[in-house]
Amino acid sequence: QKEVEQDPGPLSVPEGAIVSLNCTYSNSAFQYFMWYRQYSRKGPELLMYTYSSGNKEDGRFTAQVDKSSKYISLFIRDSQPSDSATYLCAMSQTGANNLFFGTGTRLTVIP
Amino acid sequence: NAGVTQTPKFQVLKTGQSMTLQCAQDMNHNSMYWYRQDPGMGLRLIYYSASEGTTDKGEVPNGYNVSRLNKREFSLRLESAAPSQTSVYFCASSEYRGSTAPLHFGNGTRLTVT
Repeated sequence: QKEVEQDPGPLSVPEGAIVSLNCTYSNSAFQYFMWYRQYSRKGPELLMYTYSSGNKEDGRFTAQVDKSSKYISLFIRDSQPSDSATYLCAMSQTGANNLFFGTGTRLTVIP
Repeated sequence: NAGVTQTPKFQVLKTGQSMTLQCAQDMNHNSMYWYRQDPGMGLRLIYYSASEGTTDKGEVPNGYNVSRLNKREFSLRLESAAPSQTSVYFCASSEYRGSTAPLHFGNGTRLTVT
């Protein structure tokens, strides 16, 4: 079983839709949760960073962590064509040297 | 704003050839990393350098060597390339050591080994 599972999609939505992206994980020691956005032919860039459980909001983006269910989500409100990219979840635990990534979900927002 | 710069952007090698992938960062970060990205596998850590003068193996180090030349530069060497090393390689840096630090990635080197 992989440490982190992420539905690869692809996911296509119309402009203005609310997008929900999700990851599940198996290691209950994970405490740091991140979402990276990767445009085609580019490196990943950090989008959201959260610690432990709860919600974090940044503009149109909201990250949620449910540690009891080992489930994290990224919500994108009022999605735009510029949001078309692959979204990677990543997580780690205190003291570890490795960050565990999901395989990424490819999102297309159709104008 | 250069950030993390990787060279070359593309490379094709024959099996058995060697090459070095270069990475430099201008953010004065302490830690640097090399990842490979393969379809269906996600990003996997090859090697990392927590600080200048130190290097450690990651999840998939076999077939690779690294050198932390100075605080800015971290190179990845393939001594005898194999088709299984066909991948996209990303260098990343972070301000402080440890897996909890946000990573800043370069734009990758796309390597094909025939």
